[in-house]
Amino acid sequence: EIVMTQSPATLSVSPGERATLSCRASQSVSSNLAWYQQKPGQAPRLLIYGASTRATGIPARFSGSGSGTEFTLTISSLQSEDFAIFFCHQYNDWPQTFGQGTKVEIK
Amino acid sequence: QVQLQESGPGLVKPSETLSLTCTVSGGSISSYYWSWIRQPPGKGLEYIGYIYYSGSTNYNPSLKSRVTISVDTSKNQFSLKLSSVTAADTAVYYCAGAKVADTVFDFWGQGTLVTVSS
Repeated sequence: EIVMTQSPATLSVSPGERATLSCRASQSVSSNLAWYQQKPGQAPRLLIYGASTRATGIPARFSGSGSGTEFTLTISSLQSEDFAIFFCHQYNDWPQTFGQGTKVEIK
Repeated sequence: QVQLQESGPGLVKPSETLSLTCTVSGGSISSYYWSWIRQPPGKGLEYIGYIYYSGSTNYNPSLKSRVTISVDTSKNQFSLKLSSVTAADTAVYYCAGAKVADTVFDFWGQGTLVTVSS
């Protein structure tokens, strides 16, 4: 199965700053890559699919890029409500697999 | 807005069967593919498998011999059974829904912790 590796494990960022999260696949997943946000005690929320398409209602400060094995989620200017865990998900091959997550915390 | 809610015992004994149910509200269970995903403490998410309202299923090969996912359209619910559990099956279990098979999960439940212990 495809292994998804996220880095860093924890990212400390000040509000208003830019955050860049990485996700690497052990083999190509084409553009079949999604990002989710999860806050404590809440259900995960779909942010990005197709590597770069924002899901319905997701603010423009969230953007995704990459293809093949290297992907990036960028949050252009962090708002207080953005601090959470973010994880990537490949749906190119069965079984679908997920990254371990990156925790974005307030610096 | 579709909402999902997991329910079931939070403690299961080793060698027994883990049983969870996910109740779908705000939408028809006949419109989506329904999945179970789990996350052991301190580890990443693991896909368990999915079911369509018609009853067709697909399971992760690593769990296939122990997993059964079923659907009850009359109750707008789908369920997970995982047999012969061990401590390694301790995890937060999530149910999730996708509009298209083998793609992204459009909505998730909040998850429920199941601990396997005697």
